[in-house]
Amino acid sequence: AQSVAQPEDQVNVAEGNPLTVKCTYSVSGNPYLFWYVQYPNRGLQFLLKYITGDNLVKGSYGFEAEFNKSQTSFHLKKPSALVSDSALYFCAVRDSGMNYGGSQGNLIFGKGTKLSVKP
Amino acid sequence: NAGVTQTPKFQVLKTGQSMTLQCAQDMNHEYMSWYRQDPGMGLRLIHYSVGAGITDQGEVPNGYNVSRSTTEDFPLRLLSAAPSQTSVYFCASSYTVAGGQTQYFGPGTRLLVL
Repeated sequence: AQSVAQPEDQVNVAEGNPLTVKCTYSVSGNPYLFWYVQYPNRGLQFLLKYITGDNLVKGSYGFEAEFNKSQTSFHLKKPSALVSDSALYFCAVRDSGMNYGGSQGNLIFGKGTKLSVKP
Repeated sequence: NAGVTQTPKFQVLKTGQSMTLQCAQDMNHEYMSWYRQDPGMGLRLIHYSVGAGITDQGEVPNGYNVSRSTTEDFPLRLLSAAPSQTSVYFCASSYTVAGGQTQYFGPGTRLLVL
């Protein structure tokens, strides 16, 4: 069965420092990987995704993520954190090997990581 | 485009009451889904639809019904509300469920069941 793990409930970073939010996954086929951000009292906003090709994916607001097949990871990164980046971040996976006629084609989400950036 | 819209934004129910959470999208997406978000649990799939007239259960379907009579609308019905259904509910849509299709989320409905 496909699954996603976000091992850190919370990540604290000082403004201007680089940030990393970790995500590991488990699928039977090749993964499609997504990152979403949720600001307080808002819906989820799409940040970036990995489908195929270059392992480094660039997304919105200066975020990027690195796909590592051998480590089954898709960590979210940003070179210089802003206070406004403080939010809840979700990693999600869809298994390319699944039958999309059934529930297996749905996105599976991690439990989320709260990012706190202090001035 | 308005994207994915949800109504109401906030609702208080008493145990045993019924209600419908509305979801609509104007992007001509075939796939629509409902999630609930609870602290420390992430997002859990309730029901989903791969097209008009087709619905199926997700991870936590008990106590909820859905229907998909049009491409645009995907309402979620609580038949007899229970305190365990206190949660934030999100509707999402994408062109299809396949591959690298991005899901777009509505702003959410915050539900409190007393």
